[in-house]
Amino acid sequence: DTEVTQTPKHLVMGMTNKKSLKCEQHMGHRAMYWYKQKAKKPPELMFVYSYEKLSINESVPSRFSPECPNSSLLNLHLHALQPEDSALYLCASSSSPRPTGTGELFFGEGSRLTVL
Amino acid sequence: DAKTTQPNSMESNEEEPVHLPCNHSTISGTDYIHWYRQLPSQGPEYVIHGLTSNVNNRMASLAIAEDRKSSTLILHRATLRDAAVYYCILRDYGGSQGNLIFGKGTKLSVKP
Repeated sequence: DTEVTQTPKHLVMGMTNKKSLKCEQHMGHRAMYWYKQKAKKPPELMFVYSYEKLSINESVPSRFSPECPNSSLLNLHLHALQPEDSALYLCASSSSPRPTGTGELFFGEGSRLTVL
Repeated sequence: DAKTTQPNSMESNEEEPVHLPCNHSTISGTDYIHWYRQLPSQGPEYVIHGLTSNVNNRMASLAIAEDRKSSTLILHRATLRDAAVYYCILRDYGGSQGNLIFGKGTKLSVKP
């Protein structure tokens, strides 16, 4: 199984809502990632988890709150978002717990978020 | 971080070879050259990577210049399914800069 599964595929939320994006992998990978992708732009790294601990936060606003409850799951909690946060949110995983430069990243299909 | 430069877009005919160039003149000795592609409405997928020598796999070939300041991804027979944005990315295996940081990429169109 080389899949990274993201749910939901689509999410519409208001600026006062609280919602969560979920990501799951069963490849035994110990590094997991959140990326944000705006339309016609490349993906931007948001967070990196290594062995279920947050290792990188790319200066992401606190209205995005990541969580890694176990080695197979990664959540992104959303609260008080702005319309400009509307984007495709991509989850990825890799076997290397550190960015070694050789480990392949496996991406999910993404969750498309619309903030009204 | 070392940067890469790719053409914004390229066109190819179906069943013909495609050569996608990438310049990385500031590459360091510990940088691997990675290629990912993103098909429409999908997440990126790994294509190939290399350090110094040319590499082949079932998807593509990677040709690396002797001075490592440029590389070329080669699709031997383009199909319509190869239409995607192709990203050339440098990843440092020696330190903390090894995370996958995407540049603008090349949008490849394949004509039947």
